[in-house]
Amino acid sequence: EVQLVESGGGLVQPGRSLKLSCAASGFTFSDYNMAWVRQAPKKGLEWVATIIYDGSRTYYRDSVKGRFTISRDNAKSTLYLQMDSLRSEDTATYYCATYYGHFDYWGQGVMVTVSS
Amino acid sequence: DIQMTQSPASLSASLEEIVTITCQASQDIGNWLAWYQQKPGKSPQLLIYDATSLADGVPSRFSGSRSGTQYSLKISRLQVEDIGSYYCQQAHSNPYTFGAGTKLELK
Repeated sequence: EVQLVESGGGLVQPGRSLKLSCAASGFTFSDYNMAWVRQAPKKGLEWVATIIYDGSRTYYRDSVKGRFTISRDNAKSTLYLQMDSLRSEDTATYYCATYYGHFDYWGQGVMVTVSS
Repeated sequence: DIQMTQSPASLSASLEEIVTITCQASQDIGNWLAWYQQKPGKSPQLLIYDATSLADGVPSRFSGSRSGTQYSLKISRLQVEDIGSYYCQQAHSNPYTFGAGTKLELK
């Protein structure tokens, strides 16, 4: 059974950093492209970043480019999202997901609140 | 960026009724379109990919279709477990954009 479990969320002040993790199991992690998708409270879904299966390429939405870094450790079957210079508009539930054009499997999500 | 215009924003329907949700893409995206269901308090689940292909484990009452740059999700006989929000997503090019969502409620 595919499982994706996010962790690392919480309350953080504007301008500070936070690192999210997503532990994967039930499939060969190193074969899959991965992504982060977020959802602000009571809002719709928004793609954040994607990383290719071997980590060779990454893609970001414009609003997080230069502030967020997606990475992966295939030996640990873990996906990461380093979030720097956080803003109030980054407040959302962050989901990790497998990616193949569409988002096949999703984690349960982790809440990030940016507020002073 | 490719815009996905989803309608309606909300929908109230009766059990066993046929429900249709549509998404209009701002440019040609071919069959690079997916649909997701999100139940209250849960993470989204893939329903349809490549515009018409049913994801594993999804009931056959769900179907997807395409006419040019307009895409539709159809629920042939609404069940109580289908209540929630639905989103389309274009997988043609970065940034991968979602529709604004349709909230489906029971009448």
